[in-house]
Amino acid sequence: EPEVTQTPSHQVTQMGQEVILRCVPISNHLYFYWYRQILGQKVEFLVSFYNNEISEKSEIFDDQFSVERPDGSNFTLKIRSTKLEDSAMYFCASVQTGKGQPQHFGDGTRLSIL
Amino acid sequence: AQRVTQPEKLLSVFKGAPVELKCNYSYSGSPELFWYVQYSRQRLQLLLRHISRESIKGFTADLNKGETSFHLKKPFAQEEDSAMYYCALSRGGSNYKLTFGKGTLLTVNP
Repeated sequence: EPEVTQTPSHQVTQMGQEVILRCVPISNHLYFYWYRQILGQKVEFLVSFYNNEISEKSEIFDDQFSVERPDGSNFTLKIRSTKLEDSAMYFCASVQTGKGQPQHFGDGTRLSIL
Repeated sequence: AQRVTQPEKLLSVFKGAPVELKCNYSYSGSPELFWYVQYSRQRLQLLLRHISRESIKGFTADLNKGETSFHLKKPFAQEEDSAMYYCALSRGGSNYKLTFGKGTLLTVNP
């Protein structure tokens, strides 16, 4: 069964550095998402992406964050200047169409900011 | 605004006992409801969605619009059911983002 894959599984970065988290969604999926989960808290929506543009973003997704689909397969989340509070598990998800279809999640990237 | 509430952070039952994980939601439209499960060190996996009305691994969930609930039930819990369970809501609009509850950690004891 096809899966969403995320790399790296764990990223350790100094505060203020840029970080790029990578995701390869399932190949025939059209909608892509990033979520994050701070330790001990719930999974929170960050951004959704469709047809090569952001379709919705949360209040968390400020100017420090950006997403890109640089080619036909990768979907990336960039944090320009990381803060301590960006430490979290970041999940990528994708879905084939929209209404009623379940989102498929990757294993996540654990981001640790020092 | 959409909100999902899972009132129990932890739930512990014995093998063979019935289990019910509660989920209540707040949304003014017609939502899509899902249950996701996360086994130890694994990814979030879809367990159930309300529109398919199916039973997966013995679990069922019925959408009750009057009580705005989508409780997850299983008549006889198994040890392998031990996991984190998340209820999630999608408003079914053009972007389909999921709003998650805080999750319930289910432990099934032998």
